[in-house]
Amino acid sequence: DAGVTQSPTHLIKTRGQQVTLRCSPISGHKSVSWYQQVLGQGPQFIFQYYEKEERGRGNFPDRFSARQFPNYSSELNVNALLLGDSALYLCASSLGLNTYGGELFFGEGSRLTVL
Amino acid sequence: DQQVKQNSPSLSVQEGRISILNCDYTNSMFDYFLWYKKYPAEGPTFLISISSIKDKNEDGRFTVFLNKSAKHLSLHIVPSQPGDSAVYFCAASAGNTGNQFYFGTGTSLTVIP
Repeated sequence: DAGVTQSPTHLIKTRGQQVTLRCSPISGHKSVSWYQQVLGQGPQFIFQYYEKEERGRGNFPDRFSARQFPNYSSELNVNALLLGDSALYLCASSLGLNTYGGELFFGEGSRLTVL
Repeated sequence: DQQVKQNSPSLSVQEGRISILNCDYTNSMFDYFLWYKKYPAEGPTFLISISSIKDKNEDGRFTVFLNKSAKHLSLHIVPSQPGDSAVYFCAASAGNTGNQFYFGTGTSLTVIP
């Protein structure tokens, strides 16, 4: 069975540009969450989508947006890129809205470098 | 504000000995905790979990202990193996916040053969 898949794996952008990252959850999983991991830090929660609705948002500016499609895949968009947006962006999926008693399954991430 | 803290950035242990990784949290609403292992260029891999109704959970060589009064949890790996060398993250969530987990900054474990 395929795990959580993310694309692209690596990308380089310049300041002010926009980027779209994509995620396909594990088959049957209806929840997708996005995390940002800056070098030397732990992952930081950005968004959770469940059944195509935003169900949680972390402390990130409005330049960050996301959506979930009917097939439960998801896109993360970041506008007006800043140097500080350089990070590993992780997608995680789970069966339901809450993970209590279960686990989050992470993809391998998309490494974004902003020059 | 860092609600989950891993105060030891690195740890070195001899093969076969016990590895103890520590994690502290500040939010008393946290009731579910996960440990992840991460190799370079890979996503985090789930290791073990514990809910606040327990104080211990075991899975093979991995045991997690939770001390709610001290807001402290620890991961024990016995015996440690060279393949355990990785960065370990603890994560915490409050039950009514979906998949919003707060992660620590990680501890890099090196198991010396």
